[in-house]
Amino acid sequence: QKEVEQNSGPLSVPEGAIASLNCTYSDRGSQSFFWYRQYSGKSPELIMSIYSNGDKEDGRFTAQLNKASQYVSLLIRDSQPSDSATYLCAVKRQGQGFSFIFGKGTRLLVKP
Amino acid sequence: SAVISQKPSRDICQRGTSLTIQCQVDSQVTMMFWYRQQPGQSLTLIATANQGSEATYESGFVIDKFPISRPNLTFSTLTVSNMSPEDSSIYLCSVQGGLSYNEQFFGPGTRLTVL
Repeated sequence: QKEVEQNSGPLSVPEGAIASLNCTYSDRGSQSFFWYRQYSGKSPELIMSIYSNGDKEDGRFTAQLNKASQYVSLLIRDSQPSDSATYLCAVKRQGQGFSFIFGKGTRLLVKP
Repeated sequence: SAVISQKPSRDICQRGTSLTIQCQVDSQVTMMFWYRQQPGQSLTLIATANQGSEATYESGFVIDKFPISRPNLTFSTLTVSNMSPEDSSIYLCSVQGGLSYNEQFFGPGTRLTVL
């Protein structure tokens, strides 16, 4: 069974700090990785995608990918209370159309 | 990204009945998907809605329980049939998109409660 694993949290950080969210995946052939943010009662919102090893930065967000270690992370710099949400890691399945496998998500709490 | 709407946004239904959820996109998309998110859980793919052919269902989901229609490139429906309380969940449609068409974007979801 191909899986995506995340620590459920909650991860609590003070406002202005760096939040680090981690994700591991089991399918070594995976090539496409995504981070979604989901506020309570809302649908997931795509915030980052990453396809190559290394870092990808977009504003306060940095996604990091290490395919050898089968590890994806999301860093949020200068965390704000509005960043408090559940962050879902998703991996595109190989050889099975376009479907994604989602982790269970990490709940982030940013305290003022 | 495409603008996606779903109807209804929420509903409360009696067991044994059926509910049809609509998903409308403001542009033509090749691939549409239906997910379920049970309370406190992550997203589970139910099926891929294919235009002009039958939907492709994931393991554990069957057409008799979750019939899907995809009459054109902007619209799809998911029916939850013969409902039980275990079907209480949020149902989400998503579409393929993005600059490389390698991303998925979600509609607002339908919150279903079965009594």
